Amino acid sequence: DAKTTQPTSMDCAEGRAANLPCNHSTISGNEYVYWYRQIHSQGPQYIIHGLKNNETNEMASLIITEDRKSSTLILPHATLRDTAVYYCIVRALLTGANNLFFGTGTRLTVIP
Amino acid sequence: DAGVIQSPRHEVTEMGQEVTLRCKPISGHDYLFWYRQTMMRGLELLIYFNNNVPIDDSGMPEDRFSAKMPNASFSTLKIQPSEPRDSAVYFCASSLTEGSQPQHFGDGTRLSIL
Repeated sequence: DAKTTQPTSMDCAEGRAANLPCNHSTISGNEYVYWYRQIHSQGPQYIIHGLKNNETNEMASLIITEDRKSSTLILPHATLRDTAVYYCIVRALLTGANNLFFGTGTRLTVIP
Repeated sequence: DAGVIQSPRHEVTEMGQEVTLRCKPISGHDYLFWYRQTMMRGLELLIYFNNNVPIDDSGMPEDRFSAKMPNASFSTLKIQPSEPRDSAVYFCASSLTEGSQPQHFGDGTRLSIL
């Protein structure tokens, strides 16, 4: 699976949009981009995933560049409860290969 | 809907003792994963099952670790004998087979070996 690069930490003001970038320049055509987050003392929580097109759900939006070498997770109105470590993961859909490689992620701090 | 359920949430025991961690996956999910998280190594996959059959156990650190899935609704991870370096948070996750379905995690078991 392709490796990802994320900033170590970011701050965001409460109520503002949080834009979390991720570089995955070696991504292959059959690899999806997944975003998870981990709030202190809890298990990782799935947020969203996509292949080529931008995606939106009740939690966030995922913007994938046309060349698919980078993506941005957008939390439209950040709240204090969004403070967490956010992981960007790239994974291919291969039979029997369902591992998720969690890197170091981005520690997002939402500031009141 | 019930998520992935793990027990116990916390376990403290002395080295040399047997430790058993338990996981109930989301009903209908046919993949089950065991992960370990430490400050030094982050989240690591230990083993995963498909339809109750172990598929890849290459992440299991050594023979002291074993995992079973006797049925679709229950899995265990055992450490025998336990050592202080096994102290970590152990997570269980489950997912559906089809396509790009994401994994859903439990809240983990925080294990401390004294």
